[in-house]
Amino acid sequence: AQSVTQPDIHITVSEGASLELRCNYSYGATPYLFWYVQSPGQGLQLLLKYFSGDTLVQGIKGFEAEFKRSQSSFNLRKPSVHWSDAAEYFCAVDGDKIIFGKGTRLHILP
Amino acid sequence: KAGVTQTPRYLIKTRGQQVTLSCSPISGHRSVSWYQQTPGQGLQFLFEYFSETQRNKGNFPGRFSGRQFSNSRSEMNVSTLELGDSALYLCASSLASLPDTQYFGPGTRLTVL
Repeated sequence: AQSVTQPDIHITVSEGASLELRCNYSYGATPYLFWYVQSPGQGLQLLLKYFSGDTLVQGIKGFEAEFKRSQSSFNLRKPSVHWSDAAEYFCAVDGDKIIFGKGTRLHILP
Repeated sequence: KAGVTQTPRYLIKTRGQQVTLSCSPISGHRSVSWYQQTPGQGLQFLFEYFSETQRNKGNFPGRFSGRQFSNSRSEMNVSTLELGDSALYLCASSLASLPDTQYFGPGTRLTVL
């Protein structure tokens, strides 16, 4: 069965520090992978996606993600976070149908 | 280009009533998907419509239904509302059928009393 796991419910980092949000999936083949961000009271905005090809994907707002087939992971990274990055981040996997992770809420310390 | 719009933005209903939510996709997009977001269950896929046909559906009871019109606008209906249907309902549109890049609307906040 298809599934996606975001192990961290909350993450707190200091402004300017690096960030990595984890996403693991279970699927019999390589699915389509997405990261979305949701600010309070807003809909979701696509940060980046992986369909095929280069396993390091660049997205908007300085985010990147790396697809690792051997680890069934698609972790999101940013070298230096800004206070405006505080939001909830969702990993999504589309194999048979799209499934979203439970989300990771990112808090930024000044 | 205008984004995805959803109406109404907020809705309060009582148990047993029914509700219809509307979604207007980005111009040129032919796929519309609906999601339910709750604190407990997170984001869950309801169904996808492409060219007026339901392509895929999630694990929701038959009280949840939808349709898509020839102009790609979509409506979602929930009949016999239950307290547990209180949620943020998100609509997303994409050029092609899923999997494809989706653009989300701001959502309709439904409260069932």
